[in-house]
Amino acid sequence: NAGVTQTPKFRVLKTGQSMTLLCAQDMNHEYMYWYRQDPGMGLRLIHYSVGEGTTAKGEVPDGYNVSRLKKQNFLLGLESAAPSQTSVYFCASGRQGANTIYFGEGSWLTVV
Amino acid sequence: DAKTTQPNSMESNEEEPVHLPCNHSTISGTDYIHWYRQLPSQGPEYVIHGLTSNVNNRMASLAIAEDRKSSTLILHRATLRDAAVYYCIPEDSNYKLTFGKGTLLTVNP
Repeated sequence: NAGVTQTPKFRVLKTGQSMTLLCAQDMNHEYMYWYRQDPGMGLRLIHYSVGEGTTAKGEVPDGYNVSRLKKQNFLLGLESAAPSQTSVYFCASGRQGANTIYFGEGSWLTVV
Repeated sequence: DAKTTQPNSMESNEEEPVHLPCNHSTISGTDYIHWYRQLPSQGPEYVIHGLTSNVNNRMASLAIAEDRKSSTLILHRATLRDAAVYYCIPEDSNYKLTFGKGTLLTVNP
């Protein structure tokens, strides 16, 4: 079972470059989330979506954009990467009305 | 949003029970308490959740105080594979989960 799949798993960017992280889920979940986790810290919510075509800001949205054009995909974009965005990014999805969300394995991003 | 307080770290011996506490004194009356854990270099995974009464599943038990201001995650027999960071998370609107720093559980052989 694929579950939640994130691509790429590892990426090194130069300051100012742009990139997109892709999250795909095959569980037909309505809710999807992007979190970031810095060393020794808990996860912080960047953006989330409660359905296709909808997005909302989380705790730390600045510097990121998202899109949910298809129900199964949630894209996280960095338009101009900064060293402060060096982190591990986790995508998650959940079914409306359920009490469990499922996480991907993470994407390690380094901005130099 | 409800705030939580968990010990930064706890230690246990293999095959002994572990009680991981969490204070969530500002939780509303209808918000579930969720517990997730994160093994090294992995994404968090669901452990258990509950509202008012104690809950059991194959992974753990959850004991919720009568006033709902605290809860305790119970691992009945810790194994080395249970070494992880454990997060206690009150549910938010739109099922957003706000992660704190959690409790780092070390299991000694």
